[in-house]
Amino acid sequence: NAGVMQNPRHLVRRRGQEARLRCSPMKGHSHVYWYRQLPEEGLKFMVYLQKENIIDESGMPKERFSAEFPKEGPSILRIQQVVRGDSAAYFCASSPRGSPNTGELFFGEGSRLTVL
Amino acid sequence: QKEVEQNSGPLSVPEGAIASLNCTYSDRGSQSFFWYRQYSGKSPELIMFIYSNGDKEDGRFTAQLNKASQYVSLLIRDSQPSDSATYLCAASSGGSYIPTFGRGTSLIVHP
Repeated sequence: NAGVMQNPRHLVRRRGQEARLRCSPMKGHSHVYWYRQLPEEGLKFMVYLQKENIIDESGMPKERFSAEFPKEGPSILRIQQVVRGDSAAYFCASSPRGSPNTGELFFGEGSRLTVL
Repeated sequence: QKEVEQNSGPLSVPEGAIASLNCTYSDRGSQSFFWYRQYSGKSPELIMFIYSNGDKEDGRFTAQLNKASQYVSLLIRDSQPSDSATYLCAASSGGSYIPTFGRGTSLIVHP
């Protein structure tokens, strides 16, 4: 999906380092969702943001994880002091709130984090 | 806890057959239902959405929704090897707009 841009596509970190994943939503979309996908598992919701506002972060681990969507620039998912269990594919999705297709998400290609 | 359940499969069907994928959900407040297709190593791609009880057809795909039974299904007619992928079912309620995804069903269409 060329509309939602995520980078980096692949990221390797050693335990204890920080990982920053970036997401630019589709043009005209003001709502961003982050999901995590572990091997052989489904997509697990992490956080839902609008510009400068976290709407729902009920899926975010309480420690080490944070997300933002500033007025200017991409949304960023930040993982501090990474551990091997953080290795996963992190997908960003965007949606145009108010669309008749409420809940329809457009996904980026994902950022695959490997923690050594 | 909102749950969406799917059989992980794999579901194997011959080319040209009908593939039937099923999904149940726990939240009775769910109003919108989605089927996404995900090829290995790729991002999920929306293929169908359904809001009302009954059937909705789009080309070779038919989504079926039964809110009383909390059951959603996807039928793929004339299955092709290119349909081989993982199919993710998702449900969202009108209040949160946050889709909850199932683990996905792996479909294999063999020639």
